[in-house]
Amino acid sequence: DGGITQSPKYLFRKEGQNVTLSCEQNLNHDAMYWYRQDPGQGLRLIYYSQIVNDFQKGDIAEGYSVSREKKESFPLTVTSAQKNPTAFYLCASLSRANYGYTFGSGTRLTVV
Amino acid sequence: GQQLNQSPQSMFIQEGEDVSMNCTSSSIFNTWLWYKQDPGEGPVLLIALYKAGELTSNGRLTAQFGITRKDSFLNISASIPSDVGIYFCAGRSSMDSSYKLIFGSGTRLLVRP
Repeated sequence: DGGITQSPKYLFRKEGQNVTLSCEQNLNHDAMYWYRQDPGQGLRLIYYSQIVNDFQKGDIAEGYSVSREKKESFPLTVTSAQKNPTAFYLCASLSRANYGYTFGSGTRLTVV
Repeated sequence: GQQLNQSPQSMFIQEGEDVSMNCTSSSIFNTWLWYKQDPGEGPVLLIALYKAGELTSNGRLTAQFGITRKDSFLNISASIPSDVGIYFCAGRSSMDSSYKLIFGSGTRLLVRP
């Protein structure tokens, strides 16, 4: 079955560490997106990529970085510059069939 | 960044009741989407709307694209316990060529058996 796989499901980060969240899709979608979700808030866009080797900042890109070396993969790195990284992170890709997003199951990142 | 106004923020209803929620935007949208999110999971697409005035159903769910193109509504009829979750509206501005979606803050639905 086609879909988006995010890993790990749960991730713990120490202060000052960089961590990388994985997002892989086998839907052959061109555009991919990273969102952050905090309790009681909507989804806020971190970065997005419309094509391989190209990506753009979203509304809250500070302290994050991404790469898009392959169509299937769009990893997100949470750097030590992100002061409040504890959140639920969602990866999505754009379906040309309905112009909606298909989401992964998310990664919950906690700073310890 | 732009946000949508989604209301109500939460609802606690009796099983069997109907539910209504809505989203409004300050700008015109050319696509409205409604998602449901279960705890600890990613949102799942329920209904997609593409034209002003469009009314679309998916089982007990019905959504409408407002004629002003600045709002959308979702109704759930005869609620059941598995309807529990967070419902998000999402819209896409006609001015944005990147296909980015803007999300509302969600409506948390609790259903009392």
